[in-house]
Amino acid sequence: DSGVTQTPKHLITATGQRVTLRCSPRSGDLSVYWYQQSLDQGLQFLIQYYNGEERAKGNILERFSAQQFPDLHSELNLSSLELGDSALYFCASSASGGGRTDTQYFGPGTRLTVL
Amino acid sequence: AQKVTQAQTEISVVEKEDVTLDCVYETRDTTYYLFWYKQPPSGELVFLIRRNSFDEQNEISGRYSWNFQKSTSSFNFTITASQVVDSAVYFCALTQSNYQLIWGAGTKLIIKP
Repeated sequence: DSGVTQTPKHLITATGQRVTLRCSPRSGDLSVYWYQQSLDQGLQFLIQYYNGEERAKGNILERFSAQQFPDLHSELNLSSLELGDSALYFCASSASGGGRTDTQYFGPGTRLTVL
Repeated sequence: AQKVTQAQTEISVVEKEDVTLDCVYETRDTTYYLFWYKQPPSGELVFLIRRNSFDEQNEISGRYSWNFQKSTSSFNFTITASQVVDSAVYFCALTQSNYQLIWGAGTKLIIKP
């Protein structure tokens, strides 16, 4: 158990809908990262937050947004969902701002199915 | 450009065999970190090891060992006396200059009983 929690574990929804995925980092970690893992694309980095502020952005679609709250938990919002958004969404956390020495610890993931 | 290559898409071995997973990386940085993660069938990503570019000592943890060779830009992972529970997808990753992780495509390891 990495200490990173994600809810829900599974989510099934329809195209055009909006969902929110939640992540709580390990105790003491300040950074939260979001990744998308689909069968054909592998692991894709979406976005990183550090202590409430956006730190880095990857291949995140405009339909997706995230935030990190004062208690350091994070939410990833996915809207206008398409079939292609079906994937496993991971949250990871690390101790500091994502320097080279930081190790990212991953949550169990949320499996999103868009029908 | 920074890149991680895991050329072995899938490896299948019989239990108790030794198996090596290859990882080759490209980077212009002199300081960098390499990682291995395991993703079992249950789906979670489990951190296995982190190695910095200045430490070329091999690492052993139980049945797992890692061979880091800067001369060939490789960070290979060996499982000795493999077990069915080792079946998983294994990812190698590299920190790039903006500190984000660059991931390999993963190697699916199948251990047959």
